[in-house]
Amino acid sequence: EVHLEESGGVSVQPGRSLRLSCTASGFMFGDYAMTWFRQAPGKGLEWVGFIRIKGYGGTSEYAASVKGRFTISRDDSKSVAYLQMNNLKIEDTAVYYCSRDMYGDEPPEYFQYWGRGTLVTVSS
Amino acid sequence: SSELTQDPTVSVALGQTVRITCQGDSLRGFYASWFQQKPGQAPLLVIYDRDKRPSGIPDRFSGSSSGNTASLTIAGAQAEDEGDYYCNSRDTNSDHLVVFGGGTKLTVL
Repeated sequence: EVHLEESGGVSVQPGRSLRLSCTASGFMFGDYAMTWFRQAPGKGLEWVGFIRIKGYGGTSEYAASVKGRFTISRDDSKSVAYLQMNNLKIEDTAVYYCSRDMYGDEPPEYFQYWGRGTLVTVSS
Repeated sequence: SSELTQDPTVSVALGQTVRITCQGDSLRGFYASWFQQKPGQAPLLVIYDRDKRPSGIPDRFSGSSSGNTASLTIAGAQAEDEGDYYCNSRDTNSDHLVVFGGGTKLTVL
């Protein structure tokens, strides 16, 4: 059974950094791109970005709202994806979800598996 | 990036059929997926690739599309179908990007 679990969400001040983790189990982690989404309180879903599998270079793509501040990485040996968030802004306050798509597409498309999310609060 | 537009709220009487729509230019080139989300829970994929249902999703959920509009239909809505529904697709400007609609809050009366 596919299982994803996010961790690392805390309350931080603007301008600080934070790293979230997404620990996966139940599938061959290295065969799937991993995607991060977020949802601000009371708002809709927002795609943050994803990281390709090593076979496609292991590179990442990002939403314009986080590009240059956020970095997604992965450790296939540990089945973990990371979201490094730098220079955090108040508007980055959200529940952050990691997700795996259905087929291992490039780019990932059908987001069938989600973690429960981890809350990041950016406040002074 | 492209935008997807959804009606903010929709209501349906118990047992009746309801259609939730999603409009956007990206839907002329890419099929929509649909997610259901209940308070405090992660999104649940209910329709993908326009009209396919993941395993475990009741067959009262169906999807369709025409032009720049995708639709999610729930035939015989149940109380447990109440929640927020989001459409998404790839972005017209760059197919590795993903866009979402703003969400539709479905109330089952």
